[in-house]
Amino acid sequence: GAVVSQHPSRVICKSGTSVKIECRSLDFQATTMFWYRQFPKQSLMLMATSNEGSKATYEQGVEKDKFLINHASLTLSTLTVTSAHPEDSSFYICSAGGQGSGEQFFGPGTRLTVL
Amino acid sequence: GQNIDQPTEMTATEGAIVQINCTYQTSGFNGLFWYQQHAGEAPTFLSYNVLDGLEEKGRFSSFLSRSKGYSYLLLKELQMKDSASYLCAVRPYNAGNMLTFGGGTRLMVKP
Repeated sequence: GAVVSQHPSRVICKSGTSVKIECRSLDFQATTMFWYRQFPKQSLMLMATSNEGSKATYEQGVEKDKFLINHASLTLSTLTVTSAHPEDSSFYICSAGGQGSGEQFFGPGTRLTVL
Repeated sequence: GQNIDQPTEMTATEGAIVQINCTYQTSGFNGLFWYQQHAGEAPTFLSYNVLDGLEEKGRFSSFLSRSKGYSYLLLKELQMKDSASYLCAVRPYNAGNMLTFGGGTRLMVKP
C-alpha cells in the first residue's frame, strides 16, 4: 500500500506558540489530503480537506485562521496550529486518498501537547 | 448529512468470533470502509464494501446491506493483538475520497 509520513510524531510546546505538522505522501501523488483530530477514546473528526494548489475546505466549527493548511505540492500538506492553547492538545492525523477504491492511507499521527 | 452508529465497546474471548455492527444514514453512499486502530497509532485499512454481500479476507470479513444501511465486521479466531478500536467509515457520493467516521468500537480480547 501507499505510504504517508508525518513529522513530527510528537511535539510539546508552550501556550501561545505555533506548531507546524507536515504530511507527505512518499510513493504517490495526492491531490487531496485530509486532516483529522482525535481526542482520547474518541473517533477521528475531520478538520479539513487539503487541496493541492487551492484553499483548504474546512469542516463546520473548525477555525481556518487558527488551523492553517497549505498544500503546496502533490506530495506535501502542512497544518499549522497557530497560537496553540492547552485545549488544542490532541492527536492529529493526516491521510491521502488512494486510487481505485478511494481508500485513504493514514500517516502515523502527531501527538501535540500544549502546556 | 451523515449519521454512523456503532457500539462503543465490546469484549470477547481469545479464539472466539466477534461481530461489530455499523448502521449508517447518509444522503448519498459510495462505499463503506472498516479500519483498525491501536491506541496511539494511525488507522489501518481492513476492508471496503460498495456492493451488497460479504467480503472475506483471512480472519476478517465485512458485510454490507445498502438497503438496510447496515454493515458488520466479523473477526474470527480472535487473538490478543486484535484488541483495538474498529472504525466504520462511509464515503458519501460525489465526495471524492472524503470519509465520515463512526465513533469507533473498542474491542477488548481476553484470554
